[in-house]
Amino acid sequence: QVQLQESGPGLVTPSQTLSLTCTVSGGSISSGNYYWGWIRQPAGKGLEWIGRIYASGSTDYNPSLKSRVTMSIDTSKNQFSLNLSSVTAADTAVYYCARYSNPWGQGTTVTVSS
Amino acid sequence: DVVMTQSPLSLPVTLGQPASISCNSSQSLLYYDGNTYLHWFQQRPGQSPRRLIYSVSNRDSGVPDRFSGSGSGTDFTLKINRVEAEDVGVYYCMQGSHWPHTFGQGTKLQIK
Repeated sequence: QVQLQESGPGLVTPSQTLSLTCTVSGGSISSGNYYWGWIRQPAGKGLEWIGRIYASGSTDYNPSLKSRVTMSIDTSKNQFSLNLSSVTAADTAVYYCARYSNPWGQGTTVTVSS
Repeated sequence: DVVMTQSPLSLPVTLGQPASISCNSSQSLLYYDGNTYLHWFQQRPGQSPRRLIYSVSNRDSGVPDRFSGSGSGTDFTLKINRVEAEDVGVYYCMQGSHWPHTFGQGTKLQIK
């Protein structure tokens, strides 16, 4: 079955760019009529969609983050990525990648601190 | 954004007893294709969310049949027939009919 795994730095300096990659295994990122997304969860808080990307490269971003978010997809590597610029402490969270709503990766904790 | 409101936010349940969680949306979740993209997730402590129910009432593979979902339009319910110890965690509803997709605040189920 399809599995997803997030990777990237666990610590990011304020004002810098957070970069994460999601590697998909057990299936092609290009198959099916799915989109791929990033969701985050600050410690002890709820869940927030950051954005989604289709195999074609088409994207939709949450308006609350739109000015700072860029997503990309590499079908040859079966990966998609997230860049979040100008980060602050408020961006500290567990970041999940997902194939639409199922399945999700295990999540990666990103802390924004100097 | 579509606001998803869950109740209760805390749900203490005796083992073997039923449990019910309500989720209301600020807009209808009926999509133009005729489907309603309302899903339910379980997040056990220290784990990532796992989808239990998709499109209101369809159980995901491997989900026990004691879990069921119902509703339409703006009002939805997740029911657990007989709560077991492994059901402890936080339950979220999520709407996928409008962008950005949004989640409810979460309902923490604990054993009395």
